[in-house]
Amino acid sequence: ETGVTQSPTHLIKTRGQQVTLRCSSQSGHNTVSWYQQALGQGPQFIFQYYREEENGRGNFPPRFSGLQFPNYSSELNVNALELDDSALYLCASTLGGGTGELFFGEGSRLTVL
Amino acid sequence: QKEVEQDPGPLSVPEGAIVSLNCTYSNSAFQYFMWYRQYSRKGPELLMYTYSSGNKEDGRFTAQVDKSSKYISLFIRDSQPSDSATYLCASHTGGFKTIFGAGTRLFVKA
Repeated sequence: ETGVTQSPTHLIKTRGQQVTLRCSSQSGHNTVSWYQQALGQGPQFIFQYYREEENGRGNFPPRFSGLQFPNYSSELNVNALELDDSALYLCASTLGGGTGELFFGEGSRLTVL
Repeated sequence: QKEVEQDPGPLSVPEGAIVSLNCTYSNSAFQYFMWYRQYSRKGPELLMYTYSSGNKEDGRFTAQVDKSSKYISLFIRDSQPSDSATYLCASHTGGFKTIFGAGTRLFVKA
């Protein structure tokens, strides 16, 4: 059984640029959630995808968007990067929609200069 | 007011001590309560998962939920240096969104 993998692990962007982060779900999991974790804070829910559809969204602007693919892997896209977007972006998979035990990847650390 | 409040610490204890970590929450609709452990430069991993009020024990870890006071606790017995991590309490209503506290940094000194 493979765990949740994320790429890239670290990246640096400048303000105004766009970024795509990728996630492969744990084997057998059909639901992916994305969280943003700022330094010294807990993870904040961005959105969830279930069966390739957005299943729910947190308090993030539309420049945060996502995709889920038929193999349940997922992307998080952020446009027009701002300095406050600097954070650890965590992908978590679970089975069956909703939220139960979240299996997290190790995250992608984004720095916006 | 944040839906889940947690003292960020840091909390430093000697090896073998009993550790008490606490959170409060404001949303009466929360039914599920969790504790995640996050090591430095890693993603969170689930430690304990409970439904409604009551206690749950797993080895050296005990989770307590008191819904009447909206209070969540995690106790760690015989703490070890390997327990040094950030502990995140979390809750959800059964929907799609899990709400996390800010995390408490714990240091266990050998």
